Amino acid sequence: DTAVSQTPKYLVTQMGNDKSIKCEQNLGHDTMYWYKQDSKKFLKIMFSYNNKELIINETVPNRFSPKSPDKAHLNLHINSLELGDSAVYFCASSQELAGGLQDLTQYFGPGTRLLVL
Amino acid sequence: AQTVTQSQPEMSVQEAETVTLSCTYDTSENNYYLFWYKQPPSRQMILVIRQEAYKQQNATENRFSVNFQKAAKSFSLKISDSQLGDTAMYFCAFMKHPYGQNFVFGPGTRLSVLP
Repeated sequence: DTAVSQTPKYLVTQMGNDKSIKCEQNLGHDTMYWYKQDSKKFLKIMFSYNNKELIINETVPNRFSPKSPDKAHLNLHINSLELGDSAVYFCASSQELAGGLQDLTQYFGPGTRLLVL
Repeated sequence: AQTVTQSQPEMSVQEAETVTLSCTYDTSENNYYLFWYKQPPSRQMILVIRQEAYKQQNATENRFSVNFQKAAKSFSLKISDSQLGDTAMYFCAFMKHPYGQNFVFGPGTRLSVLP
């Protein structure tokens, strides 16, 4: 009964390939996020979706395209992979409480370690 | 833009002792949330404790407590009775309302609990 799950856990691929990382949350949350953690452990937000709509899109190359088929899923597709894309990618989710107040506690998935060769 | 600073890249503490991790942040906002997340070797990000800026009372969660100084923009984490399982990277994070906008993490502090 994992709250936020990601697949795959590890992804090794060649430069130039296209790959996808899937994320699912069973918490009933309405907001989901993608973060990138680089080799120095620095964690930075990439995207945020609320009710399947894009809310945050930080300065991320347009090779990265998030897709949210429904509230419980936020997938990350990466085109033309580059060496610098090697990192750990975390999915997270949070819930907006009734009345418009955001709980703001984010629940993270286990991460996907991407290695581009 | 908000920034979060953790001035201690690495720390160590003996088992059962107390350790304090520091965090400072810079913001012009008045309403915001602060968090401490823990990342053990398993890489999972685990929420340790959170603090709402409008609350003057410091948050406490079992062996974990914070010292929130709003005027000084300081948010330190105290771990009492340290356990081997506390060994992890600890990230301080800032979030402004709503929807995770400006959710900013600090660079992290690597804590080692020694037997």
